[in-house]
This record gives sequence, structure tokens and C-alpha cells, in this order.
Amino acid sequence: DIEMTQSPSTLSASVGDRVTISCRASQSIGNWLAWYQQKPGQAPKVLIYMASTLESGVPSRFSGSGSGTEFTLTISSLQPDDFATYYCQQYNSYSYSFGQGTKLEIK
Amino acid sequence: EVQLVESGGGLVQPGGSLRLSCAASGFTFSTFWMSWVRQAPGKGLEWVANIKQDGSEKYCVDSVKGRFTISRDSAKNSLYLQMNSLRGDDTAVYYCARIGVDWHFDLWGRGTLVTVSS
Repeated sequence: DIEMTQSPSTLSASVGDRVTISCRASQSIGNWLAWYQQKPGQAPKVLIYMASTLESGVPSRFSGSGSGTEFTLTISSLQPDDFATYYCQQYNSYSYSFGQGTKLEIK
Repeated sequence: EVQLVESGGGLVQPGGSLRLSCAASGFTFSTFWMSWVRQAPGKGLEWVANIKQDGSEKYCVDSVKGRFTISRDSAKNSLYLQMNSLRGDDTAVYYCARIGVDWHFDLWGRGTLVTVSS
């Protein structure tokens, strides 16, 4: 099974900051990686898929990069609506696994 | 409106059974792989199971093998999860999710809570 490890687990930042969240896979997954945002009491929402493709309707301040085992989600300028929990997720051979999540908090 | 609506959650005793349903609308259900994803209270997301468009292929996480069965009925635009031999660690919100063309989950329901407790 492929394990996904995110860092950091918690991130404190201010509106306007540039933030980066990392995700590492236990083995190579090519570009089969997605990023999701989840707010309390809501379902997750996809932001990025195929490591770097922005989902329709998602603001361009979100971007993704990486391939193989190392991936990054970047928010270029934090907005108040961005404080949430973020998950990476891999797809391999019809199964999936998620990272443990990164909670983005207001500093 | 494109949406997924889960139902069937509730309180069940350990060892009991429950069947979750997910009603799809606003898109051609029969052309998409579908999935169940769960989230224990205060915890992260865990993929549970997938099913192919025609139901001919199914995959699930090891922790539910032999206990949970995913199925679908395209005539009713519905996805199901039959859960047997339930345990306390199955307590979670269960989400129905559509699998997009690049294998990510591009549409989610609001979830249904399953609580396993005596």
C-alpha cells in the first residue's frame, strides 16, 4: 500500500502570505496526485488534480507541482476563505490513499 | 443540479449491519466510476471502495474486505454500501464521491454519519 505523508500537520499564517504544503508518497505515483480543501462540517472539494491541473472554478492563487514521490501545494496569497484543512490523495491501481491532512490556521 | 445525496446512516450496535445509499442527479451516472470515502470524527479521509460503471469491477481498502460490499443500480441512479459486522472503528461520516476522468474525486455528497456503539 502507498502511504502519503504531509508536512506540516499544522500551519499558522496570515492573510496575504505565500504558503506551501508538502506531500510525499512512499513510492512513485507519477502525476496521480490530487489536492483537496475541507472546511469544518463540509465535504472536501478538489483544488488540483494530476499534480498540477487546476480544477475548474478554483482560484489561480492555488497551484500544484511535483511528480514521482514529492509534491507541493502552493497558495500564492492567502485569503480569509483559505483557512481550512488540506489533503493530498494518490491514485494507483484502482485504489487510493490520503495524507493525514494539514490544518491551515490564522496567525 | 449536479449532486450526490447520501442516506441510510444512523446508530448501530457492534456486529450489526447497515446499508448506505447515494442518489445521483444532474449527470449521466452510468458513465462514471463511483466511490465511498469515510472520515472518522476529528480524523482524516479514508478511501473505502470503488465500483466501475457497469459494476463489473470493485475494489476496497483491506480493513473492510469481507465486511463491506459496494454496488450500484444505474436504472435508479444510485450507489450503495452494504456494511456488515460493523465495529467501533467504522464510526465515521461516509461520503459518496464521483470519480472524474483523471481518477480524482470531482464531486462529493454531504455525507451520512454512521455510529457504531452499544
